[in-house]
Amino acid sequence: KQEVTQIPAALSVPEGENLVLNCSFTDSAIYNLQWFRQDPGKGLTSLLLIQSSQREQTSGRLNASLDKSSGRSTLYIAASQPGDSATYLCAVPDDMRFGAGTRLTVKP
Amino acid sequence: DTGVSQNPRHKITKRGQNVTFRCDPISEHNRLYWYRQTLGQGPEFLTYFQNEAQLEKSRLLSDRFSAERPKGSFSTLEIQRTEQGDSAMYLCASSKGTANTEAFFGQGTRLTVV
Repeated sequence: KQEVTQIPAALSVPEGENLVLNCSFTDSAIYNLQWFRQDPGKGLTSLLLIQSSQREQTSGRLNASLDKSSGRSTLYIAASQPGDSATYLCAVPDDMRFGAGTRLTVKP
Repeated sequence: DTGVSQNPRHKITKRGQNVTFRCDPISEHNRLYWYRQTLGQGPEFLTYFQNEAQLEKSRLLSDRFSAERPKGSFSTLEIQRTEQGDSAMYLCASSKGTANTEAFFGQGTRLTVV
């Protein structure tokens, strides 16, 4: 059964810093991985879907990479802003298993 | 298309009562997922459907929990004889169900059992 782990559990950075969030999964036989953002008390917002045939996917200041062989994905956030403060979650198919998330705080 | 819709948004119930939540997926999305989320935790998988077929159920989904998707469109999640430990956010998501398609979430139903 697929297990997903996210490190770190929480991260606090000053505004403007670049940062990396990590997601590890145990079963490398995946065909995509999706990153989400969740604001307190809200549902999840899709950020990026990275397919197994891709090594990277970019959307604005976000860049996600996927290394199936090592069972890892990273989400890179450039020039962080206070509005980026949220919990970031990754999920893998087929039944969309989630990690516990990384709670990000960007301080002005 | 208004996205995934969940109703109600909030539900307060007394312990022992039954509750039912509804999820309307994005039209033409044939896969539908249910999750439970407690404070500070990631979403816990409960079950998912491919059209009207329930493909997998988590062992978290005890006998008190049942989910249906009778016509392959909307889905309901029922909790019988609610307990205080059932208090959580219940999230629904949908996707086209083919490989390499995004899943989209609703805003969730927050259940409080008193």
